[in-house]
Amino acid sequence: KAGVTQTPRYLIKTRGQQVTLSCSPISGHRSVSWYQQTPGQGLQFLFEYFSETQRNKGNFPGRFSGRQFSNSRSEMNVSTLELGDSALYLCASSFMGLAGNEQFFGPGTRLTVL
Amino acid sequence: AQSVAQPEDQVNVAEGNPLTVKCTYSVSGNPYLFWYVQYPNRGLQFLLKYITGDNLVKGSYGFEAEFNKSQTSFHLKKPSALVSDSALYFCAVRDGETGANNLFFGTGTRLTVIP
Repeated sequence: KAGVTQTPRYLIKTRGQQVTLSCSPISGHRSVSWYQQTPGQGLQFLFEYFSETQRNKGNFPGRFSGRQFSNSRSEMNVSTLELGDSALYLCASSFMGLAGNEQFFGPGTRLTVL
Repeated sequence: AQSVAQPEDQVNVAEGNPLTVKCTYSVSGNPYLFWYVQYPNRGLQFLLKYITGDNLVKGSYGFEAEFNKSQTSFHLKKPSALVSDSALYFCAVRDGETGANNLFFGTGTRLTVIP
């Protein structure tokens, strides 16, 4: 089975712009979660989507949003970029998104905001 | 609220020696515990998990972890370290009673295996 894929792998944007990141989960997985990884804050949960519905949300401002399509692919969007949004954004998928299911992570998208 | 502590930012061990990476957790309900490894410029790779059952859990690449409820710990171990084990290791927890899927991660421990 192919793993979780994320595109693009690298992005450079300037403050005030917006960005869309894409994630394709492992085939058959219905839950997709997004995390932000920074040296200062570590790994932080952004949100989870299951069956095209946001099921859980972390403590991030409304500039961060996402969606999931009927084929379970997910996108996240960040509007009005700030310097502090520079991070590695990781997508993770799991079969049914149950608490006991492990999540499988993609390689991440490295976002740099100038 | 859930939280994870990895008290050591860095662990150095000689190749062939046993290694331990420490993790303690805090949850209100039943802890579901996970270990992940991250190599440079890569995502996180699942190693093992504890949900219920035997306290000693075996995972990928010869790693194992022991769940200790009284000490609220879930230390990662390997009997004989390899240079290729050098990476960043993350412990993570979920509260099994909430049913929520999101993981709470520790700050990570960088393991260096010295040849």
